[in-house]
Amino acid sequence: DAKTTQPPSMDCAEGRAANLPCNHSTISGNEYVYWYRQIHSQGPQYIIHGLKNNETNEMASLIITEDRKSSTLILPHATLRDTAVYYCIVRVQAAGNKLTFGGGTRVLVKP
Amino acid sequence: EAGVVQSPRYKIIEKKQPVAFWCNPISGHNTLYWYLQNLGQGPELLIRYENEEAVDDSQLPKDRFSAERLKGVDSTLKIQPAELGDSAVYLCASSSDTNTEAFFGQGTRLTVV
Repeated sequence: DAKTTQPPSMDCAEGRAANLPCNHSTISGNEYVYWYRQIHSQGPQYIIHGLKNNETNEMASLIITEDRKSSTLILPHATLRDTAVYYCIVRVQAAGNKLTFGGGTRVLVKP
Repeated sequence: EAGVVQSPRYKIIEKKQPVAFWCNPISGHNTLYWYLQNLGQGPELLIRYENEEAVDDSQLPKDRFSAERLKGVDSTLKIQPAELGDSAVYLCASSSDTNTEAFFGQGTRLTVV
């Protein structure tokens, strides 16, 4: 599976949009981009995933560049409860559902 | 619908003692995973099951770790004997097939003293 690069940490203001970048320059054509988050003392929680097109659900939006070498997770209105470690993962469907986690981005939402 | 249930939530044992963790996946989920998470790091896959068959156990330290998933539902992960370096959070996850998102339990925090 391709490796991803994320900033180790970032702060954002409550009520503002949080934009979390992820680089995956070696992504293959059959690899999906997945985002998970992990709130303190809990297991990882699925947020969203996509292949080529931008995706949106009730939690977030995923913007994937046209060359697919990077993506951005957008939390439209960050709340204090969004404070967590956010993991960007690329995964080959053929490998089963193996998720290879990196270090993630520690996001702190401040009042 | 209940999520992935793990027990115990916390466990403290002395080194060289055995320990077991239990996981009940989401009903109907055929795929089950055990992950290990060290402090400040992302989870690492230990073993993946498709029904009762272990299809990926390459990262499981087989000299002291074992796992089973009898009847393709609940699973148990065992460590015998435990070492100080085994202190970590052990996470269980499940998914409905090999191509969908995985749902994680809250994990078992193991402390070996």
